[in-house]
Amino acid sequence: GQQVMQIPQYQHVQEGEDFTTYCNSSTTLSNIQWYKQRPGGHPVFLIQLVKSGEVKKQKRLTFQFGEAKKNSSLHITATQTTDVGTYFCAGPTSGTYKYIFGTGTRLKVLA
Amino acid sequence: NAGVTQTPKFRVLKTGQSMTLLCAQDMNHEYMYWYRQDPGMGLRLIHYSVGEGTTAKGEVPDGYNVSRLKKQNFLLGLESAAPSQTSVYFCASSYLGLDSPLHFGNGTRLTVT
Repeated sequence: GQQVMQIPQYQHVQEGEDFTTYCNSSTTLSNIQWYKQRPGGHPVFLIQLVKSGEVKKQKRLTFQFGEAKKNSSLHITATQTTDVGTYFCAGPTSGTYKYIFGTGTRLKVLA
Repeated sequence: NAGVTQTPKFRVLKTGQSMTLLCAQDMNHEYMYWYRQDPGMGLRLIHYSVGEGTTAKGEVPDGYNVSRLKKQNFLLGLESAAPSQTSVYFCASSYLGLDSPLHFGNGTRLTVT
């Protein structure tokens, strides 16, 4: 079945450093969504990418969708303590309405 | 402005007991999902529904049953709980399925002893 892997699993950064998480799918995705989950909370939608090679920005966050639509990345510039949490990518299994989540990257920001 | 509401928030079961988790959404969403979250394994899809009266299996459906008798409610049942079902369960809903964001409830933390 479809698998969605994320690396790294954990990342500790000093406040002000940059951070990137990578998402890789075993199959081509029609779109990809990114979510953030704060400690003790629930996942919250950040963004959706649909087109091959698409790049979207939200303030300090930059999202990319790979040309082959099998991978994606989230880059945070100059991390802040409010960025702490786990970041998940999620993509639909082809031909179904199943959204399969990646394994997540847990970010810790040290002040 | 409730969104997606899950009950209960916490529950402890003994092996072999049964229970039902309730998910209710007030956004008139067609699609609803049940996920479980375990450390290091992300969110895994248990069952989902694309509309009232429909259900379908996700990645890890064994040991669970679901029902969607009303559009706003999606029930997850455990007929005979096992320790392997200890997890945090999240319900989510979306308006248009693949082209809409998932809105999550606050989760139910279930422990099976």
